[in-house]
Amino acid sequence: QKEVEQNSGPLSVPEGAIASLNCTYSDRGSQSFFWYRQYSGKSPELIMSIYSNGDKEDGRFTAQLNKASQYVSLLIRDSQPSDSATYLCAVKSFAGSSASKIIFGSGTRLSIRP
Amino acid sequence: SAVISQKPSRDICQRGTSLTIQCQVDSQVTMMFWYRQQPGQSLTLIATANQGSEATYESGFVIDKFPISRPNLTFSTLTVSNMSPEDSSIYLCSVERQGATGELFFGEGSRLTVL
Repeated sequence: QKEVEQNSGPLSVPEGAIASLNCTYSDRGSQSFFWYRQYSGKSPELIMSIYSNGDKEDGRFTAQLNKASQYVSLLIRDSQPSDSATYLCAVKSFAGSSASKIIFGSGTRLSIRP
Repeated sequence: SAVISQKPSRDICQRGTSLTIQCQVDSQVTMMFWYRQQPGQSLTLIATANQGSEATYESGFVIDKFPISRPNLTFSTLTVSNMSPEDSSIYLCSVERQGATGELFFGEGSRLTVL
């Protein structure tokens, strides 16, 4: 079982609609959760972080966390063509006594169609 | 935010050779992380580099193949040794945002092609 799982997509969403991206993780002890956006040929950039259950909103982006279900999601409202990218879910996992590390999912490719 | 510079940005290498990637950060950081992103894949952590101590390698990565140096708090190098075509990948250096552990900044990446 992969530690962080995402649907690879592509997910096609019409412009102006809500894009919903999902992620599940296996380490129940994980405490920190992140969404990164990666444009083709570029490095990932952080767009959202969430640490507690519930919703966290930042502009058009809302991250949702449900630790009981080990589930993280990202909603993008009023989707724009510039949102077309690969979205990577990342989880900070604690590896026992060694330093914690950040594990990435395989990413979901999002395409916003005009 | 941290500014991270990586060199080279890209290179084409011959099988059996080694290449060293440099990562320079504009502020002092405790840990620097080296990731690999193979074509069409996500990011895989190679190792964590702490200043003044040996790097910590993830499962599947060994020091002989990926030696890392961390001479000070703003600089690190990753060497890809005895390269094969399977090492063709993007190698990314990253650091954590100060005070907000887990939020990573990435360099622009080094795209290596091994022939």
